[in-house]
Amino acid sequence: DIVMTQGVLPNPVPSGESASITCRSSKSLVYKDGKTYLNWFLQRPGQSPQLLTYWMSTRASGVSDRFSGSGSGTYFTLKISRVRAEDAGVYYCQQVREYPWTFGGGTKLELK
Amino acid sequence: QVQLKESGPGLVQPSQTLSLTCTVSGFSLTSNSVSWVRQPPGKGLEWMGAIWSGGSTDYNSALKSRLSISRDTSKSQVFLKMNSLQTEDTAIYFCTRGRSFDYWGQGVMVTVSS
Repeated sequence: DIVMTQGVLPNPVPSGESASITCRSSKSLVYKDGKTYLNWFLQRPGQSPQLLTYWMSTRASGVSDRFSGSGSGTYFTLKISRVRAEDAGVYYCQQVREYPWTFGGGTKLELK
Repeated sequence: QVQLKESGPGLVQPSQTLSLTCTVSGFSLTSNSVSWVRQPPGKGLEWMGAIWSGGSTDYNSALKSRLSISRDTSKSQVFLKMNSLQTEDTAIYFCTRGRSFDYWGQGVMVTVSS
């Protein structure tokens, strides 16, 4: 199985600052079609996960442009610019390159 | 608009079978896949399996021997059945759409306990 390993944030993050969340995969997530099959989600307390980006860097419908995904085949970053109160929660990366689809362990973002 | 809603028993006895239903609206099951994902209390997310638009299925190998996913397209429903439940299967169970998991249900809490 592909193992997804997420980094830790130096919490709390001051409101208005930027935060970068890292995710590493044990195998390249680039498929033969050239797409990188990496999703990012935010789960706020008591809520279902919300899709932020797919194909590593494509923002989901309605997602703020303060969220941007980037990376290579095995190392990925979700950058959140001008952090706001509603960005607090747990962020998950997920690979959908091969079965079983697997999630990272989550990275908690707390705001100051 | 797109919606998914999970339903099922909140309490299941150990060794028994869990049956959950995901009722969808705003999209067709013959054009979209649906996955089941679970989350134990205070822990991370685990993909369980998916049913594709053509009706084929894929399962997490860790659960494959106990898990079955099916659907009724006329009722816009996807079903999950998992047998031999143990306490470690206590979790919130979500259904979600597509390979990008762009829409999620609110989840249903299932507790395995005698």
